[in-house]
Amino acid sequence: DVKVTQSSRYLVKRTGEKVFLECVQDMDHENMFWYRQDPGLGLRLIYFSYDVKMKEKGDIPEGYSVSREKKERFSLILESASTNQTSMYLCASNSPPSGYEQYFGPGTRLTVT
Amino acid sequence: SQQGEEDPQALSIQEGENATMNCSYKTSINNLQWYRQNSGRGLVHLILIRSNEREKHSGRLRVTLDTSKKSSSLLITASRAADTASYFCATEGRAGNTPLVFGKGTRLSVIA
Repeated sequence: DVKVTQSSRYLVKRTGEKVFLECVQDMDHENMFWYRQDPGLGLRLIYFSYDVKMKEKGDIPEGYSVSREKKERFSLILESASTNQTSMYLCASNSPPSGYEQYFGPGTRLTVT
Repeated sequence: SQQGEEDPQALSIQEGENATMNCSYKTSINNLQWYRQNSGRGLVHLILIRSNEREKHSGRLRVTLDTSKKSSSLLITASRAADTASYFCATEGRAGNTPLVFGKGTRLSVIA
């Protein structure tokens, strides 16, 4: 079975802190994605990556950056956390093409106080 | 990007009844997918239907696609309490190799 793991299920950080959210997949997938999910807004794509050291902006990249140094790991970075980044963060992966079935991690619920 | 829109936003039914959820989208697509999300968890892929297909079945799930109306429906037959979840449609644009675009979801409650 494909497994996508995220480093934390729940995280509480203070405004201004640098936050790292880690995602690891074990199926040798080329593509990895970061979404945030907010009530009434559905899933919104933050960043995605089609290969190691490659990254593409999604719909809402502002305030975020990403890192993909290894194929299996895709990190989301909040350089200076703000309260409006309180959200559920979901990581996903798949093999090309990127529009096929995605496998999701369990999510990280981040609260910024 | 143009999100799909699910309808209704919320649906409450009795166990054993059928549940129908609809999804409309705005641009031409290669495929449309449905996902389920249990409360506070990640999404799980249910079914994929390609743009040249009109209907697809998987167990108690039936998906239809009408590309002329840019719409899809997901039917869950003989619903169970365990079907309680949020259901999302997601589309891949015609350009291909582009990320999926997710709708806002339908919250289904199945009452035992």
